[in-house]
Amino acid sequence: QSALTQPPSASGSPGQSVTISCTGTSSDVGGYNYVSWYQQHPGKAPKLMIYEVTKRPSGVPDRFSGSKSGNTASLTVSGLQAKDEADYYCCSYAGSNTLYVFGSGTKVTVL
Amino acid sequence: EVQLVESGGGLVQPGGSLRLSCAASGFIVSSNYMSWVRQAPGKGLEWVSSIYSGGGTYYADSVKGRFTISRDNSKNTLFLQMNSLRGEDTAVYYCARDFMTEDYWGQGTLVTVSS
Repeated sequence: QSALTQPPSASGSPGQSVTISCTGTSSDVGGYNYVSWYQQHPGKAPKLMIYEVTKRPSGVPDRFSGSKSGNTASLTVSGLQAKDEADYYCCSYAGSNTLYVFGSGTKVTVL
Repeated sequence: EVQLVESGGGLVQPGGSLRLSCAASGFIVSSNYMSWVRQAPGKGLEWVSSIYSGGGTYYADSVKGRFTISRDNSKNTLFLQMNSLRGEDTAVYYCARDFMTEDYWGQGTLVTVSS
């Protein structure tokens, strides 16, 4: 099972929005509504930002939103803040054999 | 408060074995869906293995037949037995509770496979 495809980098100025894509196949992203997004700062454990495509865990600002169309899921960060600068990973359920596949990761830079 | 604390990482030679532990507090490991996720230095996240509350276990193809996930209910601890270790297994290993829908992760433990 190959990693889901994410752009290596994305950037935006404070207050702007950035959208990160996560492209898979009909066997993972397109086949299930089980896509999660994680934020990871250097040297830290991942932090869950979005689950089941669009849901936000308690405590995650509503500046973070998720969506999906076909085999591509997306994470949008609105009103960019300096603390949003981090690596972001998507992850999808991929069926009973492979179970889960992560994305390749996107480094978000706040200009 | 939910806490996960990994231990057991270190330097091991290729072909060697290591057992990682993840001590949990604030919840019962055996009643939850637990997983190991790893991250090679400078690389992305990779799902390694999961164990369901019912005991079913799952593995990534890259570790199948070499790694075994288990739990000790009396110690409320999750384990990952890693055998026939390879250089590509070098990574920080995180344990997590229901990582797809909850935000409970350990701090990670570094495993280095090198001669």
